[in-house]
Amino acid sequence: DTEVTQTPKHLVMGMTNKKSLKCEQHMGHRAMYWYKQKAKKPPELMFVYSYEKLSINESVPSRFSPECPNSSLLNLHLHALQPEDSALYLCASSQNLVLSWGATNEKLFFGSGTQLSVL
Amino acid sequence: TQLLEQSPQFLSIQEGENLTVYCNSSSVFSSLQWYRQEPGEGPVLLVTVVTGGEVKKLKRLTFQFGDARKDSSLHITAAQPGDTGLYLCAGFNSGGSNYKLTFGKGTLLTVNP
Repeated sequence: DTEVTQTPKHLVMGMTNKKSLKCEQHMGHRAMYWYKQKAKKPPELMFVYSYEKLSINESVPSRFSPECPNSSLLNLHLHALQPEDSALYLCASSQNLVLSWGATNEKLFFGSGTQLSVL
Repeated sequence: TQLLEQSPQFLSIQEGENLTVYCNSSSVFSSLQWYRQEPGEGPVLLVTVVTGGEVKKLKRLTFQFGDARKDSSLHITAAQPGDTGLYLCAGFNSGGSNYKLTFGKGTLLTVNP
């Protein structure tokens, strides 16, 4: 199983709603990531978890709240989002976190993403 | 932060043509990766180049890593409509105590039948 599964595939929410995005992998990967991607733009890193602990937060607004309940699951809780937060939210995983410059050929596996629209 | 510049940003060609996409940086990378992303899907890793001057082939795709490890290119021979997608180069750069994967701006390729 080399898949990263994301649910839901599409989500429409109002600015006052609370919703959660879910990501799951069963490859035994210890690092998991959230990326945000606007149309025709590259993915931008939001959060990185390693061994279920938050390792990187790219100064993401607090209306996005990540959670890693176990080594296979990664959630992104959404609250009071703005229309400009509409984007494709991608989850990814890798065997390990990259810790040194020389060991940078780690492979990331991406899910298909959740297309989020905030009205 | 090490930046990756990709060119061209958009490319529309006819089936059967050849094309080259470039990825450049002013910084040295220990490796560079190329991903392809189709609409509504996540990026899929095509190749990782590690050694300066390295050339890797994947069917009709040829990837090259510059001798100085600051640039890379992707050449597609006899492009097919199935090659349509967003091509992204990516490299790991320092994010404090660990390294994070950062993408170039991407090349949106359209191959017309």
